[in-house]
Formats: sequence, structure tokens, C-alpha cells
Amino acid sequence: EIVLTQSPATLSLSPGERATLSCRASQSVNSDLAWYQQKPGQAPRLLIYDASKRATGIPARFSGSGSGTDFTLTISSLEPDDFAVYYCQQRSNWPPYTFGQGTKLEIK
Amino acid sequence: EVQLVQSGAEVKKPGESLRISCQTSGYTFTNHWISWVRQMPGKGLEWMGRIDPTDSYTNYSPSFQGHVTISVDKSIRTAYLQWNTLNASDTAMYYCATGLDWFDPWGQGTLVTVSS
Repeated sequence: EIVLTQSPATLSLSPGERATLSCRASQSVNSDLAWYQQKPGQAPRLLIYDASKRATGIPARFSGSGSGTDFTLTISSLEPDDFAVYYCQQRSNWPPYTFGQGTKLEIK
Repeated sequence: EVQLVQSGAEVKKPGESLRISCQTSGYTFTNHWISWVRQMPGKGLEWMGRIDPTDSYTNYSPSFQGHVTISVDKSIRTAYLQWNTLNASDTAMYYCATGLDWFDPWGQGTLVTVSS
């Protein structure tokens, strides 16, 4: 089973700042990685798939990069609505599909 | 618009059985697999398994194989997650989601509480 490790666990930033979230895989997942956003009391929402492709309706301030074992989700300029928990997920080696443990992005 | 609407919250006792549902609309039901994902209180996401609505072929995570059953009823565009014997550690929010490898969109979640 591929283990995804996200860092940091919590990221405290202010609106307008740039956010950089990391996801590291225990073995190569090529570009088979997605990012999801989850707000309190809501279901997760797909943001990025295939490591760098934005899902339908996702603003351009969200971008993904990386391949192999190291991946990054970048939010170029934080808006108040972006403060949430973010999860990465791999599809390269399954079953099972696995998720990272999440990064909580909180307002500083 | 693609929509997944899940059944309501459940409170059960250990040892009881349960089936929760995920009703879909807005797309061709047999075109997309449906997965179930568990989120225990205050924790992260765990993929449980998926089903191909075309022929009911299923894949399960080893962590959930044998403890839950995923099924569909094509006539009413609905997927199900079933337990024959619940235990307290099954207390969690359960989400359905469409997609073969990426999950989009998701249902609103069904909270299952198992307590004596």
C-alpha cells in the first residue's frame, strides 16, 4: 500500500499570501495524484487531478505540480474561502486508493 | 448537473445490520464507477471500495473486504453500502463519490453512529 505523507499538518497564513502544501509518496505514483479540499461539515471537492490539471470550475489560483514521489499544491493568493483541509490521493497502485492525512490551512 | 444524494443519519447498536444509499442523477448511471469513502470522527479519508454499475463488479480495500458490501440497483440509479454486523468502530461519516480513479462529485455524506 502506498503511503502519502502531507506536510505541514497545519499551515497558518493570511488572506493574500501564497500557500504551498506538500505531499510525498512512499513510492513513485508517476503523475497519478489528485488534491481535494474539504471545508467543515462538507464533502470533499476535487481540485487537481493527474498532478497538475484543474478540475472543472476550480479557480486558476490553485495549481498542482510534481511527479514521482513529490507533489505540491500551490494557492497563489489566499482568499477567505480557501481556508480548509486539503488531502492528496493516489491512483497509481491499488487497491487501495490512498489519501494523505491532510493539511489544515488556517487563518493566521 | 451531476448529483449524489445520500440517505439520512443512522444510529445503531453493535451487532445490528445497516444499509445506506446513494441516489444519483444528472448523468448516465452506467458510465461512472461509484466509490465509498469513510471518514472517522476528526480523521482523514479512507477509500473503502468501488462498484461498476454496468455489471456490479466490485473492488474493495483490504481493510474493508469482508466487512462491508457494495451494491447497486440500476433501475433506480442507486448505490448501497451494507454491513451485516456493525461495531462501535464503524462510527463515521460515509461518502459516496463518482469516478473511476478520481472522485468527483461526492454525496453529502451519511453519518453512522454505532453505540450501545
